[in-house]
Amino acid sequence: GENVEQHPSTLSVQEGDSAVIKCTYSDSASNYFPWYKQELGKRPQLIIDIRSNVGEKKDQRIAVTLNKTAKHFSLHITETQPEDSAVYFCAASNAGNMLTFGGGTRLMVKP
Amino acid sequence: DVKVTQSSRYLVKRTGEKVFLECVQDMDHENMFWYRQDPGLGLRLIYFSYDVKMKEKGDIPEGYSVSREKKERFSLILESASTNQTSMYLCASMQDRVRGYTFGSGTRLTVV
Repeated sequence: GENVEQHPSTLSVQEGDSAVIKCTYSDSASNYFPWYKQELGKRPQLIIDIRSNVGEKKDQRIAVTLNKTAKHFSLHITETQPEDSAVYFCAASNAGNMLTFGGGTRLMVKP
Repeated sequence: DVKVTQSSRYLVKRTGEKVFLECVQDMDHENMFWYRQDPGLGLRLIYFSYDVKMKEKGDIPEGYSVSREKKERFSLILESASTNQTSMYLCASMQDRVRGYTFGSGTRLTVV
């Protein structure tokens, strides 16, 4: 089955700096890569996703990149704000709707 | 807005008890999932279902079973609770990839 590894497990940045979270996956058939954000005490919520026919996708301050050859994808957050502090999960999926998640990254943005 | 409701926010059970975790969604989604969330391990899939009365094992099904008698309800059953099943349990439903998963608020289960 699919295996998703996520790094780093914790990340601390100064407000205004950029943050990058990286994930690798094992199943070359995976073609859908969403990112979820989980604020403290709340449920995970989808923030952005990318499909295998696209190399990069942006939505305001967040962007995702995908390198299919190397089987890795990344989340980039620019101009970080305190409200970006949360746990972020990457995930991967092949043709089905089942997601395999990474271990999570706790992002702390210091004001 | 899709609502996924988990019946209990916190639950404390004794070792050996049979435990039922209930999940109900209100948007007629076909796909429903049970994950457990542990620090450093992310979300691990226990069981999922693509339709009524249909169930598939996920990555860590041992010690669990599920029931989906109606489309809106997906129940997770711990046949004989053990302390290593102490965890946060998250239910999710999904109609398609465009909208992604909608998660419930989670049930924090403690087995003593």
